[in-house]
Amino acid sequence: RKEVEQDPGPFNVPEGATVAFNCTYSNSASQSFFWYRQDCRKEPKLLMSVYSSGNEDGRFTAQLNRASQYISLLIRDSKLSDSATYLCVAILNTGFQKLVFGTGTRLLVSP
Amino acid sequence: GAVVSQHPSRVICKSGTSVKIECRSLDFQATTMFWYRQFPKQSLMLMATSNEGSKATYEQGVEKDKFLINHASLTLSTLTVTSAHPEDSSFYICSASRSDQPQHFGDGTRLSIL
Repeated sequence: RKEVEQDPGPFNVPEGATVAFNCTYSNSASQSFFWYRQDCRKEPKLLMSVYSSGNEDGRFTAQLNRASQYISLLIRDSKLSDSATYLCVAILNTGFQKLVFGTGTRLLVSP
Repeated sequence: GAVVSQHPSRVICKSGTSVKIECRSLDFQATTMFWYRQFPKQSLMLMATSNEGSKATYEQGVEKDKFLINHASLTLSTLTVTSAHPEDSSFYICSASRSDQPQHFGDGTRLSIL
């Protein structure tokens, strides 16, 4: 079983749609969680942190459910520029911060 | 924001060649640098972690004699893929961090072995 699992997609949505991605993690010792965005053939870029209390940044909302070991990302009013792969990341503190990446969920926003 | 530079961005070479990739933190001193590999449609996988002046710690399944890592200074780490073969073709990405600060990623190196 993968440590961080995501639906690979792709999710095809029209501009303006609301879309939600889910992610589950298997290691209960995971301490922190993030969503990264990765464009094709580029390095991943930090999108936002994920907290149990929820985290909202403009059109993006992230949520963590530790009991279910489940993380979500909601994107409202999708833009064409949101098309990318969204990576769910868990951090294990093993003496250093080890990032464990999911395979990513691909989003395609069309006009 | 913090800047991490990775060079080269693209390498195409023949099987058996050794390839060196550099990772530099341009505006901060990185106590730890990480090397990742990403095959098509797969997640980034941590290969090794290196602290300045000490030997790298390799993840399970990563051959340390195949992937040589040098972290000689707080701003430079290198990954050398020795005697590369087609199965080593991948996207290699480094990241750098200071203390418990978030990791900052380099632009990545796309390696193609013919």
